[in-house]
Amino acid sequence: GAVVSQHPSRVICKSGTSVKIECRSLDFQATTMFWYRQFPKQSLMLMATSNEGSKATYEQGVEKDKFLINHASLTLSTLTVTSAHPEDSSFYICSAGGGTGINEQYFGPGTRLTVT
Amino acid sequence: KQEVTQIPAALSVPEGENLVLNCSFTDSAIYNLQWFRQDPGKGLTSLLLIQSSQREQTSGRLNASLDKSSGRSTLYIAASQPGDSATYLCATNTDKLIFGTGTRLQVFP
Repeated sequence: GAVVSQHPSRVICKSGTSVKIECRSLDFQATTMFWYRQFPKQSLMLMATSNEGSKATYEQGVEKDKFLINHASLTLSTLTVTSAHPEDSSFYICSAGGGTGINEQYFGPGTRLTVT
Repeated sequence: KQEVTQIPAALSVPEGENLVLNCSFTDSAIYNLQWFRQDPGKGLTSLLLIQSSQREQTSGRLNASLDKSSGRSTLYIAASQPGDSATYLCATNTDKLIFGTGTRLQVFP
């Protein structure tokens, strides 16, 4: 149980285009989903917290207009990187929890984004 | 602001050794602490979760302890194997997960 999937697993896009990454909880309902970014040889950094049916909460320094998050259902959250640039190239990982952040989070396999 | 540090940053050992990975955090007001494993280019695998009221958790050859008052957790790996080679991350949960810097472990035959 508690499986989280991400799609795509790997994407290459040209600078200036937008890319959408999906995060799905397959066997449970996730009222809260989290989006992280991981640069090479660095740890995970929380970008935003996504709550079903409401606006996402972004961490300091993360541009909400650049990283659009939609949590339209209890099993799906999407992250759209708009007008991507090479510096947005990173490993994006989502996690899902059954309630507030104090509950255990289950992580997706990650999406490798390369912007050329 | 919570800061999580892991020592050592990298570790290379022959198989069979018992290992201790360290994690320290500055804010002791945590709900729980998790240890994860990450293989290169992959997502996270949860290893152990210790609630704030617990002192330790065990799973197979892994044992994690938590001393909340001193802001420390350790992950003990018994009889290490080459398959244990990965990056190990600890994360504290204060309504959101704050990850440590990671320990890159290599176990050679």
